[in-house]
Amino acid sequence: AQRVTQPEKLLSVFKGAPVELKCNYSYSGSPELFWYVQYSRQRLQLLLRHISRESIKGFTADLNKGETSFHLKKPFAQEEDSAMYYCALRGGSARQLTFGSGTQLTVLP
Amino acid sequence: DTEVTQTPKHLVMGMTNKKSLKCEQHMGHRAMYWYKQKAKKPPELMFVYSYEKLSINESVPSRFSPECPNSSLLNLHLHALQPEDSALYLCASSAVVETGTETQYFGPGTRLLVL
Repeated sequence: AQRVTQPEKLLSVFKGAPVELKCNYSYSGSPELFWYVQYSRQRLQLLLRHISRESIKGFTADLNKGETSFHLKKPFAQEEDSAMYYCALRGGSARQLTFGSGTQLTVLP
Repeated sequence: DTEVTQTPKHLVMGMTNKKSLKCEQHMGHRAMYWYKQKAKKPPELMFVYSYEKLSINESVPSRFSPECPNSSLLNLHLHALQPEDSALYLCASSAVVETGTETQYFGPGTRLLVL
C-alpha cells in the first residue's frame, strides 16, 4: 500500500523567512513524487516533480529515499506563496496519485 | 492548448435532477481522471480512463456515471445526487508513458451544490 503523510496541517511563517513543508511517504518500490499547489479559488497546479530536480518559484524538493521524504523548501518565503500545498505519490505502473492531506501555508507580512 | 478545461464552473441541482459535467483537453493525453474534492481536503480519485476505456472505478456510487466519448472529452453524468455529494469536481489528464514520469494536469473544477 502507498501512503503520503504531511504532518503539518497549518504552517505560518514571516515574509523573508525560510520555509519547509514536510512530506513523508510509504511505498515499497521506486515512487514518483510531486508537489502540487492550490491558491485560493484556483486550480491545482503542478509545482515540482522529483524526477526533474528543478526549482520553481524558488521552491526545491529533494527525494531522500533513506528517510522516505520529499520535503519542500524555500529560503525566503513571499506573501504570494500563501496557499495549500499537497504532496503526491505515484507508485509503479499505477495510474492514480495518492495525495497527502495537505499543508496550508500562510506567509505573514 | 496546454490546459484542461471544465464546464460549467458552478452547478446547483436538486436531488431529482440529471446533469452532466464536461472536461476537455487538447494535449493529446490518453489518460483522464475524475476527482472529488471537499473543502480543505485533498482530491479523492473517482474514475480513471486510459485510451477511452474505464480502467479504475474507486467504488463510486452509481449515481455518478462517467463517459469518455473520445480522446479529448470526459463527461460525468449526475443523477439523483445527495447533499453530501456537494463538492468541487476536478478533471485531470496525463500522457500515458511506458517509462518515465506521468504528470497529471488539473482543470479548474466544477463547484457542485446539491440541494
